[in-house]
Amino acid sequence: DVVMTQSPLSLPVTLGQPASISCRSSQSLVYSDGNTHLNWFQQRPGQSPRRLIYKVSNRDSGVPDRFSGSGSGTDFTLKISRVEAEDVGVYYCMQGTHWPLTFGGGTKVEIK
Amino acid sequence: EVQLVESGGGVQQPGRSLSLSCTASGFTFGDYAMSWIRQAPGKGLEWVSVIRSKIYGATTEYAASVRGRFTISRDDSKSIAYLQMNSLKTEDTAMYYCTRFSSGSIEYWGQGTLVTVSS
Repeated sequence: DVVMTQSPLSLPVTLGQPASISCRSSQSLVYSDGNTHLNWFQQRPGQSPRRLIYKVSNRDSGVPDRFSGSGSGTDFTLKISRVEAEDVGVYYCMQGTHWPLTFGGGTKVEIK
Repeated sequence: EVQLVESGGGVQQPGRSLSLSCTASGFTFGDYAMSWIRQAPGKGLEWVSVIRSKIYGATTEYAASVRGRFTISRDDSKSIAYLQMNSLKTEDTAMYYCTRFSSGSIEYWGQGTLVTVSS
């Protein structure tokens, strides 16, 4: 199985400051069609997860543009340009290239 | 608007069975793969199973932790996906989310149904 390793585990951030989460996979996430199926999800307290980013850098409809995804191969990053109070929660990366689907362990974003 | 509504969760003893349902609306159910993902209390996300659309033979995949005990199925005429869980273990205790899977991604999530396995 592909192991997804996220860091840091916890990320205290000052409002208005940037935040960055790293996600590394144990093998390349490039699919045979050339797409890289790396996704980012946000789970606010008490809520279901929701997708923010798919195929590394494509933002879902309604996701603020302060969220951006980047990376390639086995090394990926989610960035929040200016953290807002509503961004508090746990963020997960997930690979959809290989079966079984696997998630990173999560990064908890909190306000300092 | 895509909606996924899970039902069937509850408390069950180890070794017993439970059946979950996911009623979908807002899209052509038969065109999409459906997947179950679970989250143990206070823990991260774990993929459980997927069933592809009939175009792809309605083939299924399972996580190693549930293979041989859980069975995923679908009824396209009713827009419902099912998860039959047999030989339940205490480690199956989790919130179970129904999700829509497409192109290497989980596009939509339901609100979840809680399964508690305890004697």
